[in-house]
Amino acid sequence: NAGVMQNPRHLVRRRGQEARLRCSPMKGHSHVYWYRQLPEEGLKFMVYLQKENIIDESGMPKERFSAEFPKEGPSILRIQQVVRGDSAAYFCASSRTATNYGYTFGSGTRLTVV
Amino acid sequence: AQKITQTQPGMFVQEKEAVTLDCTYDTSDQSYGLFWYKQPSSGEMIFLIYQGSYDEQNATEGRYSLNFQKARKSANLVISASQLGDSAMYFCAMFTVQGAQKLVFGQGTRLTINP
Repeated sequence: NAGVMQNPRHLVRRRGQEARLRCSPMKGHSHVYWYRQLPEEGLKFMVYLQKENIIDESGMPKERFSAEFPKEGPSILRIQQVVRGDSAAYFCASSRTATNYGYTFGSGTRLTVV
Repeated sequence: AQKITQTQPGMFVQEKEAVTLDCTYDTSDQSYGLFWYKQPSSGEMIFLIYQGSYDEQNATEGRYSLNFQKARKSANLVISASQLGDSAMYFCAMFTVQGAQKLVFGQGTRLTINP
């Protein structure tokens, strides 16, 4: 029973390139959450998705960032035209239902922009 | 707005001693949950313990316990008999009903266990 799977674990992109981060939720989970962790900081909420719907994107930067969770396949966090300030760890979490009891995080993707 | 404050950037403790990591929170919501996560140097986020706002007893999970003082809005993590493997970053976090599925994290405390 695999946990939340994120890939790649590490991603290096040059400034101006696109970064695609993938998250496969736990089996049976239809709610996905993305968080960003800048160096030496706590995690900050970005977006909450259910299958084919964005429920809350209040933490997403207004430009260059987008997220999707299609009917089939993993959730994707996409960052276009990356800049050095996008370098961070991006964590995904999932839950079976909308819950106030927390959820399980994946191991994260560490994005480095050079 | 919800806020978590962790005032200890770093803590150094001798092995086998108990350690308390401080966490205070701010919310106007009556229903909320408090969490502690451990982040070792490998980077993953490991769930440690959960306390609901209506829980009357302090949560415990093995060597971890949560000292919940609702009137003071504090949720300190206590680790008994610390081990070298406890060296990591520790984050306090909060859910609220108004916050709608969003965890709010503190800045973290880096705990170092000395042999």
